[in-house]
Amino acid sequence: QSALTQPASVSGSPGQSITISCTGTSSDVGGYNYVSWFQQHPGKAPKLIIYDVTERPSGVSNRFSGSKSGDTASLTISGLQAEDGADYYCSSFTSSDTWVFGGGTELTVL
Amino acid sequence: QVHLVESGGGVVQPGGSLRLSCAASGFTFSSYGIHWVRQAPGKGLEWVAFIRYDGINEYYADSVKGRFTISRDNSKNTLYLQMNSLRVEDTAVYYCAPQGESGYDFGVYWGQGTLVTVSS
Repeated sequence: QSALTQPASVSGSPGQSITISCTGTSSDVGGYNYVSWFQQHPGKAPKLIIYDVTERPSGVSNRFSGSKSGDTASLTISGLQAEDGADYYCSSFTSSDTWVFGGGTELTVL
Repeated sequence: QVHLVESGGGVVQPGGSLRLSCAASGFTFSSYGIHWVRQAPGKGLEWVAFIRYDGINEYYADSVKGRFTISRDNSKNTLYLQMNSLRVEDTAVYYCAPQGESGYDFGVYWGQGTLVTVSS
């Protein structure tokens, strides 16, 4: 159950688009369309923003989108806003009938 | 309105035990599997365990397998996590989160978390 690999940090200016990658293996990300993304602000519980690779829960801005190619999933945030500055985590269902998170990515809006 | 309240956290010595609870309301508790997820201070999220809606199957992260037991009482709308042989590295905020509609997602709803500190 190795953690999924995410960049430690990314940054972008307001209005720009950024992409956060999440790399796993064929036993998790590559093997199932069950990748989720979470946003977490300091001191708060995580918030689900993408599930099943591309789906957005009700109420989540369409500026957030997800995709997957092979063993790597990606979260794209378009039209960056100051409030998007947070930590982002990916997670995936695995072949062991467990779930695994990525190490997290800190997004800084410049 | 879905409401999740975790409790039972506290300070415990290495090797000790604690039982966490997650009281749920606002949805049909007995129809949903529930996850435990933890976050060590200043660290990332870690999936801990999952139990099916009927309590028949349980799944654990390798880091807690054999030490932690997830269970539920559908008559009380409550989820539990029995934690034995606690280690310093189990120090974290523990959250409960019901599975989502696809069955393989979770995290639309979270509790406020309960802090477990393992220290001598």
